[in-house]
Amino acid sequence: KNEVEQSPQNLTAQEGEFITINCSYSVGISALHWLQQHPGGGIVSLFMLSSGKKKHGRLIATINIQEKHSSLHITASHPRDSAVYICAVNLPNFGNEKLTFGTGTRLTIIP
Amino acid sequence: EAGVAQSPRYKIIEKRQSVAFWCNPISGHATLYWYQQILGQGPKLLIQFQNNGVVDDSQLPKDRFSAERLKGVDSTLKIQPAKLEDSAVYLCASSLAGMFEQFFGPGTRLTVL
Repeated sequence: KNEVEQSPQNLTAQEGEFITINCSYSVGISALHWLQQHPGGGIVSLFMLSSGKKKHGRLIATINIQEKHSSLHITASHPRDSAVYICAVNLPNFGNEKLTFGTGTRLTIIP
Repeated sequence: EAGVAQSPRYKIIEKRQSVAFWCNPISGHATLYWYQQILGQGPKLLIQFQNNGVVDDSQLPKDRFSAERLKGVDSTLKIQPAKLEDSAVYLCASSLAGMFEQFFGPGTRLTVL
């Protein structure tokens, strides 16, 4: 069983819709990351969280440490938001710097 | 500030051939990672360097994969000989020592025919 689970695996929505992507993890973590990967392959870090909530533009990330759950929200979605969104965590058992990744959520926004 | 650089961006080879990838991390980043990302999966750590020393290579298939970071800056990852199942995107990332946030390069997409 993967230590980091994401849902849904695939998500298609119309432009302007509110998007939610979920991430659950099974053990205690040092930090959680939301990453964006476009078709070219490169990965961009969107957020790093250890508690609470962060906002950047139309993106909002929340984390509930007790429930071992995080969500990434996109408001007023746009076709350029189409990408794979990956949740990753720093697991203390493996050393703080190392990341364990979810399998990603493929988001497609239709104009 | 320049990001993590990787080359080549794309490579197509036949099985049993050799291939090498190059990574130049962000200046001052002591920690360097190589990941393998197979289509539809999340990245998998192959090897982690701290300066020019190996911190973790437990998931590196050492019979065919090798990596080095001789001067603690640039790094190369080599596959010899390649197998069909090595087709993947190879990502390089770097971070400041002891910091959680990693910065990723654009990746090298390898296709083994």
